[in-house]
Amino acid sequence: AQSVAQPEDQVNVAEGNPLTVKCTYSVSGNPYLFWYVQYPNRGLQFLLKYITGDNLVKGSYGFEAEFNKSQTSFHLKKPSALVSDSALYFCAVRAPGQRDSSYKLIFGSGTRLLVRP
Amino acid sequence: DADVTQTPRNRITKTGKRIMLECSQTKGHDRMYWYRQDPGLGLRLIYYSFDVKDINKGEISDGYSVSRQAQAKFSLSLESAIPNQTALYFCATSDTYREMNTGELFFGEGSRLTVL
Repeated sequence: AQSVAQPEDQVNVAEGNPLTVKCTYSVSGNPYLFWYVQYPNRGLQFLLKYITGDNLVKGSYGFEAEFNKSQTSFHLKKPSALVSDSALYFCAVRAPGQRDSSYKLIFGSGTRLLVRP
Repeated sequence: DADVTQTPRNRITKTGKRIMLECSQTKGHDRMYWYRQDPGLGLRLIYYSFDVKDINKGEISDGYSVSRQAQAKFSLSLESAIPNQTALYFCATSDTYREMNTGELFFGEGSRLTVL
């Protein structure tokens, strides 16, 4: 069964420092992987995705993610964190639905990122 | 105006009451979803619908029902609410082409339900 794990409940980083939010996955076949962000009192927003191609994927707000097939990981990164990056981050994997043409997203448990000034 | 609108945004109710959460979208998407968010558990899929006549159970459908009244509207009902249904509920949408090729979902701002 497809699954995704986020091993850290919270990540703390100082503003200006690089950040990494970890995600590992388990899928059968080629993985379709995603990162979403949730700001306080808001719904989730799409950040970036990996479907195929370069292992380093660039997304919104200066975030990027590195796909590593051998380690089955898809870690979210940013070279220089901002206080405004503080939010809840979700990794997700696309899983087959009940029909060949249908898919659904399976989300991880989320990681809270806290960037201190 | 938001593209995906959920009502109510907050609701407190008592055990045994019937509750309906509504979702409407102006994005013209054919696919709609209801997720539940609990601390430490992430988002779990309750029900999803690929069009008006196509409704499917997700991971945690027990105790819930849905209705797709039109392409733009997807309602979630709790026939007899219980305290462990206290959670933040999200509606999401996508279109077939976008989901097949990118997997991107568009979320509402959530409905916080408290069952006493």
